[in-house]
Amino acid sequence: AAGVIQSPRHLIKEKRETATLKCYPIPRHDTVYWYQQGPGQDPQFLISFYEKMQSDKGSIPDRFSAQQFSDYHSELNMSSLELGDSALYFCASSLIVDHLGNTEAFFGQGTRLTVV
Amino acid sequence: AQTVTQSQPEMSVQEAETVTLSCTYDTSESDYYLFWYKQPPSRQMILVIRQEAYKQQNATENRFSVNFQKAAKSFSLKISDSQLGDAAMYFCAYRSATGTASKLTFGTGTRLQVTL
Repeated sequence: AAGVIQSPRHLIKEKRETATLKCYPIPRHDTVYWYQQGPGQDPQFLISFYEKMQSDKGSIPDRFSAQQFSDYHSELNMSSLELGDSALYFCASSLIVDHLGNTEAFFGQGTRLTVV
Repeated sequence: AQTVTQSQPEMSVQEAETVTLSCTYDTSESDYYLFWYKQPPSRQMILVIRQEAYKQQNATENRFSVNFQKAAKSFSLKISDSQLGDAAMYFCAYRSATGTASKLTFGTGTRLQVTL
C-alpha cells in the first residue's frame, strides 16, 4: 500500500538559509499535518491542512510557512534557519470521515534537517 | 488545552515477559481518541493501537492491549510476550474527535528496552 512520502529524507543547511520540505499524502487522503521532533523530544504539532485550507496552527514560527496544493501535496517552507530548527520533521496524512469517524493519521518517514 | 503525561522515561522487560506502559491525560472533552505510537531507531512513527473514548471495551491488537479508564483519564499499554523488535520509544497521544484535522498531542515518551 502507498504510504506518505516525504522529500528530501535528509537536508543540511547553513544558518539563515531557506529550506523547503515536501510531503505527498496517501492517495485520497485530504488532510495533511506537519510535526517537528527535536532531539530526544516528542513530536510537536506545527500546522495542518484540510482540503487545501489551513485547518489548525500550532507552535509554528513566523519564519515558517506551509501550504497544500491542488494535488494535496504539501510544502513546508522554512526561512532564516536557526541552529534550533535542527530536527526531524514529520508529515502525516489522514482521511476525514465524519464526527467520531475520523481515521488515524499515517506518518511519513520524516525529513531530518540539520542546520549548521 | 489537552495534555498527555508519560511518567516512565524508561522501562525494561525481558523477552517473552509482559510490560505495562503508563499514560495519563487531561481534557475537558468527552469525545476523543487515544493512541499509542511506536518509534524504533529508524524514527518512523508506527501506530500500535487506537482507542475511541466512547467505547468501553479496551482495544486489543495481537500482543498489544490497552487498559482505558475514562474516569481516571488513564490509558496504559500492555505488551505481552515481549520481543526484541518491541524495543523502541513509545508515545501516548490524544486527538480530539471534534473539528476537522484535529492534531495529535503527544506525551514525552517511554523508552522500552527488551533484554534476553
